[in-house]
Amino acid sequence: GAVVSQHPSWVICKSGTSVKIECRSLDFQATTMFWYRQFPKQSLMLMATSNEGSKATYEQGVEKDKFLINHASLTLSTLTVTSAHPEDSSFYICSAVQGVGEKLFFGSGTQLSVL
Amino acid sequence: QQQVKQSPQSLIVQKGGIPIINCAYENTAFDYFPWYQQFPGKGPALLIAIRPDVSEKKEGRFTISFNKSAKQFSLHIMDSQPGDSATYFCAARHSGNTPLVFGKGTRLSVIA
Repeated sequence: GAVVSQHPSWVICKSGTSVKIECRSLDFQATTMFWYRQFPKQSLMLMATSNEGSKATYEQGVEKDKFLINHASLTLSTLTVTSAHPEDSSFYICSAVQGVGEKLFFGSGTQLSVL
Repeated sequence: QQQVKQSPQSLIVQKGGIPIINCAYENTAFDYFPWYQQFPGKGPALLIAIRPDVSEKKEGRFTISFNKSAKQFSLHIMDSQPGDSATYFCAARHSGNTPLVFGKGTRLSVIA
């Protein structure tokens, strides 16, 4: 299947700092990428839809000023957690749609721990 | 409102058994139903998927059964192995570049 690379795999940061997570589609172009958040032993919760060249669409309850999403190219979307706090500690996962088809491939996830 | 309901929450089977995980959906606009496997600390990996015009699909040891009238679909894992121990998520979406809606997941343990 298609490869979606997510970096970093894990990050520990101090409260109040910002963290950037990158999501790349390695062997296909992705006009749309999705960002999910997953708490331990829970399902994936959609945070936002990222479209190349336009503003992201955020789900209800997700602060767009806190979770900045940039989709500057067809192969790269970034999620920046600004002024992170301990409650932002979670597993963040990106996904990308291959072509106009239906298959959605996921990155390997980023475990964020805010101290 | 949970759009995709998944059961059971957890499942333990012996090696060689056939675990079955069930999902039900509400939105009749959904037309793509994948199953994902997730290991701890990893992103979900696509296992198998089906569209509503097909009642069954097999890929290796994994089979999806789909009942459009009942709005239900299930995953069967044949000859299960300890390496299949993971969390399985069903999901659904409608056409276009729309996000997946996930079930709550099933933690499967296959014991030798």
